[in-house]
Amino acid sequence: SQQGEEDPQALSIQEGENATMNCSYKTSINNLQWYRQNSGRGLVHLILIRSNEREKHSGRLRVTLDTSKKSSSLLITASRAADTASYFCATVSPAYSGGGADGLTFGKGTHLIIQP
Amino acid sequence: EPEVTQTPSHQVTQMGQEVILRCVPISNHLYFYWYRQILGQKVEFLVSFYNNEISEKSEIFDDQFSVERPDGSNFTLKIRSTKLEDSAMYFCASILGPLQNIQYFGAGTRLSVL
Repeated sequence: SQQGEEDPQALSIQEGENATMNCSYKTSINNLQWYRQNSGRGLVHLILIRSNEREKHSGRLRVTLDTSKKSSSLLITASRAADTASYFCATVSPAYSGGGADGLTFGKGTHLIIQP
Repeated sequence: EPEVTQTPSHQVTQMGQEVILRCVPISNHLYFYWYRQILGQKVEFLVSFYNNEISEKSEIFDDQFSVERPDGSNFTLKIRSTKLEDSAMYFCASILGPLQNIQYFGAGTRLSVL
């Protein structure tokens, strides 16, 4: 089974519009995180939402989590050309939590293109 | 701002050769990770490392792979006999401590096996 599947796989919008990306997962989680990856670069952490939280905001980012549906969404408001990147959700399973060495399980990502 | 650094940025090697990918985690971090990303695919967890030993490893991390912290700053991933399918981006990450869920990633090393 695939943990952390994002959709859409690719999204192209005009600058200034909002971008919404979704992520689904299969197992129970301790938390869910979103990362951004610019082309050919490393992953940059954006936001973390814990399993007991439903919504979280950080600047232009809004993340929701629905544990009953095992899904999360990332909303980027008022998009900018610099937001062009791939966005990944990543999960940490309770089975591994507490040990401090939890490997993240990533989805395939959504490639977001912001048209100027 | 402190960052995770990885060298080299690009490594080209012949199939069957050994490669060592190097990482310098953030200086006061205690947990270290390696991930790989085959072109066009998802980022996959390989191994985590704490207190000079492997904490967790995935199915990908077979006997061909090993990790080491040879000194107080470097964290290395060794692939003993590279295969074509080992071609990928390899990312190192680190966290400060067990309650810190946010992993800080390096820019990656692109490994090309010919």
